[in-house]
Amino acid sequence: LQLQASGSGLVKPSQTLSLTCAVSGDSISSGSYSWSWIRQPPGKGLEWIGYIYHTGRTYYSPSLKSRVTTSVDKSKNQFSLTLSSVTAADTAIYYCARALTPNWFDPWGQGTLVIVSS
Amino acid sequence: QTVVTQEPSFSVSPGGTVTLTCGLSSGSVSTSYSPTWYQQTPGQAPRTLIYNTDTRSSGVPDRFSGSILGNKAALTITGAQADDESDYYCVLYMGNYNVVFGGGTKLTVL
Repeated sequence: LQLQASGSGLVKPSQTLSLTCAVSGDSISSGSYSWSWIRQPPGKGLEWIGYIYHTGRTYYSPSLKSRVTTSVDKSKNQFSLTLSSVTAADTAIYYCARALTPNWFDPWGQGTLVIVSS
Repeated sequence: QTVVTQEPSFSVSPGGTVTLTCGLSSGSVSTSYSPTWYQQTPGQAPRTLIYNTDTRSSGVPDRFSGSILGNKAALTITGAQADDESDYYCVLYMGNYNVVFGGGTKLTVL
């Protein structure tokens, strides 16, 4: 199983960040797994953003819930993240990962850097 | 929101044993939080070391072990090697589908 995150690398403040995670090696609909987003500001620690099941059921971090939306596209075997009203504090490497349990993420994608700047 | 605490940094001599901990700003960590530990080297995505408190992930050397020590989760590295020099993160399941990472521990082997 491999995951590959991609999307907008540079986003202007107040705009919306959009990322996609392509899943290969297994169907996004198989098993009871969920699919998660985690981010890491440069030089700082990890922050869980949320996860989505292939059924579309979602769970988000309370601190980001008001700005986060995730979706699944089974036909393309991928899932997506949008984060609205971004600020410089949203600059980070964004990782996608399969969640085998609520806090066991494996494997992880390689991460994609998103910079929020005008 | 409850903060998950980790030592910011730690050092260990090659061949030595080190125990990193994962606590809560309020309360005690128990197995119900299903502590999970990740190792991250610079420029790489994290990899799972331990999940569900004490289960080693596939391919992880048995010098890594997880446990509950007192009121904290613990990751013990026995016989530290140079390539164990990494950042280590714990993550706890807080219930209600909420997950919180600790701030990470930077481990130096020297």
